[in-house]
Amino acid sequence: KQEVTQIPAALSVPEGENLVLNCSFTDSAIYNLQWFRQDPGKGLTSLLLIQSSQREQTSGRLNASLDKSSGRSTLYIAASQPGDSATYLCAVRPWEGAQKLVFGQGTRLTINP
Amino acid sequence: EAQVTQNPRYLITVTGKKLTVTCSQNMNHEYMSWYRQDPGLGLRQIYYSMNVEVTDKGDVPEGYKVSRKEKRNFPLILESPSPNQTSLYFCASSVGTGGGYEQYFGPGTRLTVT
Repeated sequence: KQEVTQIPAALSVPEGENLVLNCSFTDSAIYNLQWFRQDPGKGLTSLLLIQSSQREQTSGRLNASLDKSSGRSTLYIAASQPGDSATYLCAVRPWEGAQKLVFGQGTRLTINP
Repeated sequence: EAQVTQNPRYLITVTGKKLTVTCSQNMNHEYMSWYRQDPGLGLRQIYYSMNVEVTDKGDVPEGYKVSRKEKRNFPLILESPSPNQTSLYFCASSVGTGGGYEQYFGPGTRLTVT
């Protein structure tokens, strides 16, 4: 059974720092991995989608990497800003056509001005 | 704008009073799902649909019904709500192989059952 873990559960850093959020999964046979952002009480916004054949994806200050063999993904945020404060969730789609994403519990990120 | 919409966004109701949460997507996606999110339990799938008239149970389907009569709509029905269905509900959709199965979520519906 696929399990997704995100450590740490919470992270607080000063504005301007570069930071890395971690996501690990137990079964390396995945179809893709998606990073989401969730503001308190709000919906999930898709940040980056990495297919199993890809090593990384970039969008603005965000860079997500994927190492399937080790069961790990990282989300790198450059030059963090207070507006980046949110919960970041990673989710794995186990196989093509799988109708359920397996989510981690999320990392609650606070950027201090 | 490509989006998934849900209504209502907030709902307070009483035990046993039937309710429907609507979900609509304008991206012509084949796949749609409902999730609930609870503190400490994360996101759990309730039901999903692979196309019109094709639905199946997720991890926590008890107490819920769905229908998919049109491709764009996927309503969630609570026939007799109970307090343990108090939660934050999300509708989601994704396109298939051509779109890499990227998942899009609606803004959420916060339901309180008293």
